[in-house]
Amino acid sequence: EVQLVESGGGLVQPGGSLRLSCAASGFTFSSYWMTWVRQAPGKGLEWAANIKQDGSETYYVDSVKGRFTISRDNAKNSLYLQMNSLRAEDTAVYYCARGGSIEVASLDYWGQGTLVTVSA
Amino acid sequence: SYVLTQPPSVSVAPGKTATITCGGNNIGSKSVHWYQQKPGQAPVLVIYYDTDRPSGIPERFSGSNSGNTATLTISRVEAGDEADYYCQVWDTTSDHSLFGGGTKLTVL
Repeated sequence: EVQLVESGGGLVQPGGSLRLSCAASGFTFSSYWMTWVRQAPGKGLEWAANIKQDGSETYYVDSVKGRFTISRDNAKNSLYLQMNSLRAEDTAVYYCARGGSIEVASLDYWGQGTLVTVSA
Repeated sequence: SYVLTQPPSVSVAPGKTATITCGGNNIGSKSVHWYQQKPGQAPVLVIYYDTDRPSGIPERFSGSNSGNTATLTISRVEAGDEADYYCQVWDTTSDHSLFGGGTKLTVL
């Protein structure tokens, strides 16, 4: 059974940092693109970042570029999102999701999300 | 930048057909994926690559994509279909993935 479990969310002050983790199981993690998607309270889904299977390609929504870094450790079946210089507008539930094995494609499995709150 | 436009809300009576659109410039040339999200839950993929259904998704869910509009159709709507629905594409021009604004489906 495919499982994605996020952790690392919490309350952080503006300008602070947080590192999210996503533990994957039930599939060959190193064979899939992985994605972070976020959802601000009461708002829609927003794609945040993608990473290729070997980490050689990463893509970011413009609003987080230069502040967030997506990475992965295939040996540990884990996905990460390092978030720096956090702003109030980064407050959201952050989901990790599995992409395709050839291209980014659709997101066929999602974790339950971890809440990040940026507030003084 | 590429934009996906969805109606904020769609209402339908039980047993009828719901149609949710996703508009974008020449979206027919892109692959469109659809997600269902119920309150407090993670999204669930219901249609991928325009028309394909993941295992476990009822045949009542179908998709199409042509020209400037992609469409998610839910036949014989049930109360349990009430949810937010999002379309999503990968824009190769910008190497960005993006979601539509979402459509709240209300079953009357």
